[in-house]
Amino acid sequence: NAGVTQTPKFRILKIGQSMTLQCTQDMNHNYMYWYRQDPGMGLKLIYYSVGAGITDKGEVPNGYNVSRSTTEDFPLRLELAAPSQTSVYFCASTNPGGRELDEQYFGPGTRLTVT
Amino acid sequence: DAKTTQPPSMDCAEGRAANLPCNHSTISGNEYVYWYRQIHSQGPQYIIHGLKNNETNEMASLIITEDRKSSTLILPHATLRDTAVYYCIVRVIGGAQKLVFGQGTRLTINP
Repeated sequence: NAGVTQTPKFRILKIGQSMTLQCTQDMNHNYMYWYRQDPGMGLKLIYYSVGAGITDKGEVPNGYNVSRSTTEDFPLRLELAAPSQTSVYFCASTNPGGRELDEQYFGPGTRLTVT
Repeated sequence: DAKTTQPPSMDCAEGRAANLPCNHSTISGNEYVYWYRQIHSQGPQYIIHGLKNNETNEMASLIITEDRKSSTLILPHATLRDTAVYYCIVRVIGGAQKLVFGQGTRLTINP
């Protein structure tokens, strides 16, 4: 299993540009998440999904959109990039169930700079 | 989810046990204690979790006080590769399983 993969690894955007951060998992997990991490801070939840076709806002959703058309993929869309969106973005997945299945698996992250 | 309090940084000598404390005085009866770590800007990695009994796995041990208001993560024989930020998270199992990260403890293992 590749686990959770994210592309691209790095990206520089100009203010006002748009882009999609890709996230794919091959563990057949129903639950997927997008977090952002600013320098020296903990991760903050942007959006999450509990299954294909179902998405919901997290703590910091403004400026982002998501979709979940398949179990495997959970792309994050930035429509009008702003400098405040400069951050490292992490995707994660897990399955509901008993405590043995409760661990979240994280991807390697996408480092985004908006200038 | 209950809030947690962790020291911002700690040091430990290689080969010694690293004991990382976490306070969660407002924890509810159905909330678990989770520990994750993040090595040098990689994605966080799950370590261990527990409800009220002490837990041990191949990575670490988790000691939860009897009143459940605090816990300690123990890395029994710390190595340089254990240098990371360690996050203590308290939440209910079930639901959307969202994680709320604080700033964690930056653990430095010294040779």
